[in-house]
Amino acid sequence: GAVVSQHPSWVICKSGTSVKIECRSLDFQATTMFWYRQFPKQSLMLMATSNEGSKATYEQGVEKDKFLINHASLTLSTLTVTSAHPEDSSFYICSAISPGTSDEQFFGPGTRLTVL
Amino acid sequence: SQQGEEDPQALSIQEGENATMNCSYKTSINNLQWYRQNSGRGLVHLILIRSNEREKHSGRLRVTLDTSKKSSSLLITASRAADTASYFCATAPNDMRFGAGTRLTVKP
Repeated sequence: GAVVSQHPSWVICKSGTSVKIECRSLDFQATTMFWYRQFPKQSLMLMATSNEGSKATYEQGVEKDKFLINHASLTLSTLTVTSAHPEDSSFYICSAISPGTSDEQFFGPGTRLTVL
Repeated sequence: SQQGEEDPQALSIQEGENATMNCSYKTSINNLQWYRQNSGRGLVHLILIRSNEREKHSGRLRVTLDTSKKSSSLLITASRAADTASYFCATAPNDMRFGAGTRLTVKP
């Protein structure tokens, strides 16, 4: 099946710094990728939809300037958390749609961000 | 906003028993998918059922879909301790939105 990877798997940073998380589709080209955030014991919340070559579509309440998304190629989307604060600490998960699989999404393993 | 809503929120059963989880959604869908998530880990895709299907099986999993009621159910038969996880439903097209999930605990 299609594989999606994320890097890093975990990161600890100081408040005020920026952190970049990569999401890669390893064996297929993904025109659309999604970014989710998950707080402990809660569900996944869709943050934004990332389309290759165009601007990401953000969900209501998600700050575009804080969570920068770049989908520069068909296999890579990046999420940059700018000026991170402790409340940004969360589990970030990306997913990608594999063409020809009727909207089935393949999820990355997630990145745990801890902001001190 | 959330699309899928799972029920119950938590379920505790003994090993060997069956576990049934339900999911309701709000808008028209192309397909509905069930995922499992172990604590602090990524999601594992379990099964996808298309809008024109009513039932689907995969090993010990059985999924039903009732588009008239906008609901789906996931049945895990002969549960094992390793089935302990959170289970989510999610709908497509495109902007998949997850419900709160059902936390299943299978006691050995």
